[in-house]
Amino acid sequence: AQKVTQAQTEISVVEKEDVTLDCVYETRDTTYYLFWYKQPPSGELVFLIRRNSFDEQNEISGRYSWNFQKSTSSFNFTITASQVVDSAVYFCALSEAVWTDKLIFGTGTRLQVFP
Amino acid sequence: NAGVTQTPKFQVLKTGQSMTLQCAQDMNHEYMSWYRQDPGMGLRLIHYSVGAGITDQGEVPNGYNVSRSTTEDFPLRLLSAAPSQTSVYFCASTNQGKNTEAFFGQGTRLTVV
Repeated sequence: AQKVTQAQTEISVVEKEDVTLDCVYETRDTTYYLFWYKQPPSGELVFLIRRNSFDEQNEISGRYSWNFQKSTSSFNFTITASQVVDSAVYFCALSEAVWTDKLIFGTGTRLQVFP
Repeated sequence: NAGVTQTPKFQVLKTGQSMTLQCAQDMNHEYMSWYRQDPGMGLRLIHYSVGAGITDQGEVPNGYNVSRSTTEDFPLRLLSAAPSQTSVYFCASTNQGKNTEAFFGQGTRLTVV
C-alpha cells in the first residue's frame, strides 16, 4: 500500500532561519510522482513541485530546495532564510505514475515563522 | 483564468439533510476528484472520475455520491448528512495526458450539526 509520512506535526522558527520539512513515502510502484503543496492560512492549496521517480536530481527554486533520495524513500523540502510569509501547512503527496490526480497525502507539517 | 471553482465556500447543515457541493473546471481536464481534509489527517480521496460518465471510489467514499455528466462538472452529493462529514472539501482536476499536477478549488467548509 502507498503511504506518506510527515513526522513533524509543527515546526516553529524565527525569521531568516533555515528549516527542513521531512517526507518519507512507501510504495511498491517503480514509477510514481511526488509532490509538495502549500496551504497558507487562507486555505487554498498551492502547488510547489512535482518530481517523478526517475529524476533524483535535487531542485532549487529561489529559497526553496528539494532533496529526493530513493534509497531512503524520502523527499525533503528545505526553506532557506525563512520569512513570515512562509507560515503555512505543507503537504507532501504521492501518486501512481498513471493517476497523478489520485494523490496520497501526508498529514502535513505546520510551519510557523516568527518575526 | 477561473480554473477549478467550488460552491458554496461555507455551508452549515443539520443532521439528515442533503446537499450537493458543486465543482466546475474550465480547463477541459479529463480527470476530476474530491478530497476531504480533516485535522491531523491530511487530505483523503473520496471519489474520482476519469471522464464523463465514469466514476470510481477513493479511500473514503461512504456517505457520498458523485456523477459526471459533462467534462466540466463533478458534483458531490451528501444524501443524509452526518456530523462525521464535517470537514473541508476540495475538488481537483488534472490534465491526465499532460502529466501535470492537480489543480485544486478553493475548498468548501461544511459543518454538520
